[in-house]
Amino acid sequence: AQSVTQLGSHVSVSEGALVLLRCNYSSSVPPYLFWYVQYPNQGLQLLLKYTSAATLVKGINGFEAEFKKSETSFHLTKPSAHMSDAAEYFCAVGGKTYKYIFGTGTRLKVLA
Amino acid sequence: DSGVTQTPKHLITATGQRVTLRCSPRSGDLSVYWYQQSLDQGLQFLIQYYNGEERAKGNILERFSAQQFPDLHSELNLSSLELGDSALYFCASTPAANTGELFFGEGSRLTVL
Repeated sequence: AQSVTQLGSHVSVSEGALVLLRCNYSSSVPPYLFWYVQYPNQGLQLLLKYTSAATLVKGINGFEAEFKKSETSFHLTKPSAHMSDAAEYFCAVGGKTYKYIFGTGTRLKVLA
Repeated sequence: DSGVTQTPKHLITATGQRVTLRCSPRSGDLSVYWYQQSLDQGLQFLIQYYNGEERAKGNILERFSAQQFPDLHSELNLSSLELGDSALYFCASTPAANTGELFFGEGSRLTVL
């Protein structure tokens, strides 16, 4: 069965520093890989998605993620963190099992 | 605004009671997913409907049930509520099964006292 592992339930970075949130998927390459963001008291919003068209995927708010099949990874990065990036981030996979599976989430804290 | 509407936004009830959560998907979306988000369990997939039919089941308790109506809105029924059922319940929709991203509602926060 598919699963998603997010390393680090909490990540703290300084404002202006690189953001790196890690995600690894198991089993075969899923058709879709996603990163979602959840701000307090809100639903999940799509940041970006991978659909095999390109290994480097650019999303909203300056985020991007790189699909690496050899490492079964789909890490999320942003060159320079902003205070408004503080939120919880979820990696997810979607496949032909008709289920979208989410990781346990990483809470990003941005320090002034 | 994702276009997915969930009601009620907040609900407080007692153990043993029954509640119904409602979800209206985005206009034209045929598929509805229900998720439970709790602090200790993360985001758990409960059940999926596609055009009125159950398509996939996840970690949904027998005390919980759902359905999707002809107008495509969906309801999640939670019965014999326990303290541990307190959570955020999210609905999400997609245009068709397994194509692209999920669009999430803002959730219904259930508190069981």
